[in-house]
Amino acid sequence: DVVMTQSPLSLSVTPGEPASISCRSSQSLLHRNGYNYVDWFLQRPGQSPQLLIYLASHRASGVPDRFSGSGSGTDFTLKISRVEAEDVGVYFCMQDLQTPPVTFGQGTRLEIK
Amino acid sequence: QITLKESGPTLVKPTQTLTLTCTFSGFSLKTSGESVGWIRQPPGKAMEWLALIYWDEDKRYSPSLNNRLTVTKDTSKNQVVLTMTNMDPVDTATYYCAHRRGGYDHTYDYWGQGTLVTVSS
Repeated sequence: DVVMTQSPLSLSVTPGEPASISCRSSQSLLHRNGYNYVDWFLQRPGQSPQLLIYLASHRASGVPDRFSGSGSGTDFTLKISRVEAEDVGVYFCMQDLQTPPVTFGQGTRLEIK
Repeated sequence: QITLKESGPTLVKPTQTLTLTCTFSGFSLKTSGESVGWIRQPPGKAMEWLALIYWDEDKRYSPSLNNRLTVTKDTSKNQVVLTMTNMDPVDTATYYCAHRRGGYDHTYDYWGQGTLVTVSS
C-alpha cells in the first residue's frame, strides 16, 4: 500500500496569515498521462469531507482561490494564502493511483489563533 | 446536484454482519464512468478506503478486508449496498459513501454525511 505522510499534524494560524501542509507518498503518484493523482480534502467539525484540490493542483468547483495545491511525484503541498475562520478543520491528502487500496494521510488539524 | 446518504444500524454485535445502504441522487450508476465508493473513519483516526463499485458492475475491494466485504448496486433504486461480515469492535467507525467522478480527472467529489456504527456486545 502507498503510505501518505502528512506534516505537520496540527497547525495554529492567525487569521490573514498563510498556512502550508505537506503530504509525502511512499511511491510516485505521477501517471504516464502527466497527472499526479493526489487530492486534498477539508473536513470541517461535524461535517463530511469536502474536496478542495484534485490532480494535485486543480481547485474543485466553488473552492476559494486562496487554496492552492502543488507538487509532483512523491512530494505535495496544500497552501492557504490567507487563513480565514471558516478554514478550521482537518485537512487530509488522498492518493487514487496505486490502487487498490486508495490511501489517505493522517490528517492535519488547523485551528485559528 | 449530487447527494448521497448512508443508512443502516448504529449498533451491531461482534461477529454479526453489517449492512449499509447508500442512497444517492444527481447521477445514475447506469451511466458510463460513474462509480460509488465506501470509506470509513474510526474515531480519532485516519480515513480508510473500503470498496468501489462501477457502473458496469466492476468492483474493487481493500485487500486487507477483501474477504469480509461485498458491494452491490440497485440502479432502479439509486442505491449501493455494502456488507461487512464478522464485525469486531475495531470496526467501530463512521462509514461514508462517496461519488467517484470518472475520467482522467477521477476523484471522490461528493460525500455522504456519514453514519456512525458502533460494534459492541
